[in-house]
Amino acid sequence: EAEVAQSPRYKITEKSQAVAFWCDPISGHATLYWYRQILGQGPELLVQFQDESVVDDSQLPKDRFSAERLKGVDSTLKIQPAELGDSAMYLCASSFGTGTYGYTFGSGTRLTVV
Amino acid sequence: DQQVKQNSPSLSVQEGRISILNCDYTNSMFDYFLWYKKYPAEGPTFLISISSIKDKNEDGRFTVFLNKSAKHLSLHIVPSQPGDSAVYFCAASDITGANSKLTFGKGITLSVRP
Repeated sequence: EAEVAQSPRYKITEKSQAVAFWCDPISGHATLYWYRQILGQGPELLVQFQDESVVDDSQLPKDRFSAERLKGVDSTLKIQPAELGDSAMYLCASSFGTGTYGYTFGSGTRLTVV
Repeated sequence: DQQVKQNSPSLSVQEGRISILNCDYTNSMFDYFLWYKKYPAEGPTFLISISSIKDKNEDGRFTVFLNKSAKHLSLHIVPSQPGDSAVYFCAASDITGANSKLTFGKGITLSVRP
């Protein structure tokens, strides 16, 4: 069964350091999403890509977060500098088109900032 | 302002009995609703969905009911099994829009007692 691949699974970083997460969506999925899930909360969308273009980044803290999907396939989410409040699960998802068909989440990256 | 609300943080049910998980929403633009199941340190996995043109959708032991006038949906699991113990998220989308982001509730932790 096709999966959304994410790495690393776990990351511990010190405050003020840079950290990056990688996501490889299901082949053929044009839409890619990055969500953040804080413990005790539901996932919240950070950024949505349609192919290589950003569709929605309204909730992305752009002073420290950046995301790219240069060739419209895999994607990288970066935080620089990391803050204690960034500790969360970072989830990548992909879907076939702009709707919810085939919407699939990866296993996530658990980030702990110390 | 939470647009998707799961007001009960936890539910405990005896194995074999029915589990009923509730969800309310406030945004009348939502027209597609999904339930996800999540284990610790894993990404959400899709369970079942329902379009706003329906009031019921069934898949095996899982049934989702939608009451549009009350802006309320519920997930029924019958019979409940210990392996169903997880966090359940209700999510909603406006699939007629170009942005297919999912808006999640905070989740309900279901515990099924053997």
